[in-house]
Amino acid sequence: DADVTQTPRNRITKTGKRIMLECSQTKGHDRMYWYRQDPGLGLRLIYYSFDVKDINKGEISDGYSVSRQAQAKFSLSLESAIPNQTALYFCATSDSGLAGTSTDTQYFGPGTRLTVL
Amino acid sequence: KNEVEQSPQNLTAQEGEFITINCSYSVGISALHWLQQHPGGGIVSLFMLSSGKKKHGRLIATINIQEKHSSLHITASHPRDSAVYICAALVYNTDKLIFGTGTRLQVFP
Repeated sequence: DADVTQTPRNRITKTGKRIMLECSQTKGHDRMYWYRQDPGLGLRLIYYSFDVKDINKGEISDGYSVSRQAQAKFSLSLESAIPNQTALYFCATSDSGLAGTSTDTQYFGPGTRLTVL
Repeated sequence: KNEVEQSPQNLTAQEGEFITINCSYSVGISALHWLQQHPGGGIVSLFMLSSGKKKHGRLIATINIQEKHSSLHITASHPRDSAVYICAALVYNTDKLIFGTGTRLQVFP
């Protein structure tokens, strides 16, 4: 079984709808991340969480919210989806480093392809 | 100018050729990651390195901290190596990863 899973894998929705993307991990990692990928652009960080009580905005958090329900679960919500949120979304996890910053590998989920019409 | 730049953007090769993908960055880093994104979209981490060189099978990654440059080499390339290769710089003393836009590699039989 995959260590990092995302649901759904594909979703088509309409402008204005609320959407939740879910991520679960069995790696026991503290840190979880949500990224989006757009054609011609590098992955961009939306939100990240160092533990259940610690959630931080990334570089493109506007229009998104997150919830860290448990160490293993990190959900991304689009409160009112708009077409320019059409993208491939990735969840990732990593373990925390000794100095409090992670120099460990990030493990990615399979991605969720979201289309907003 | 992007803080992490990769070259080339696209690369085609014949099976067996030696491949080099380059990554330059303009920020101070703790480490640099090389990732492989399969045609289906899944991303796999290949290497994380902060100095010198790492090797795994036919893949070799090198980094020159002074020159702020890293390379990913593939020896004896194979069609199954066809993928997008992404470098990502871990900004020094942070958890921030800055990603390059990727190099699309196609290896033909």
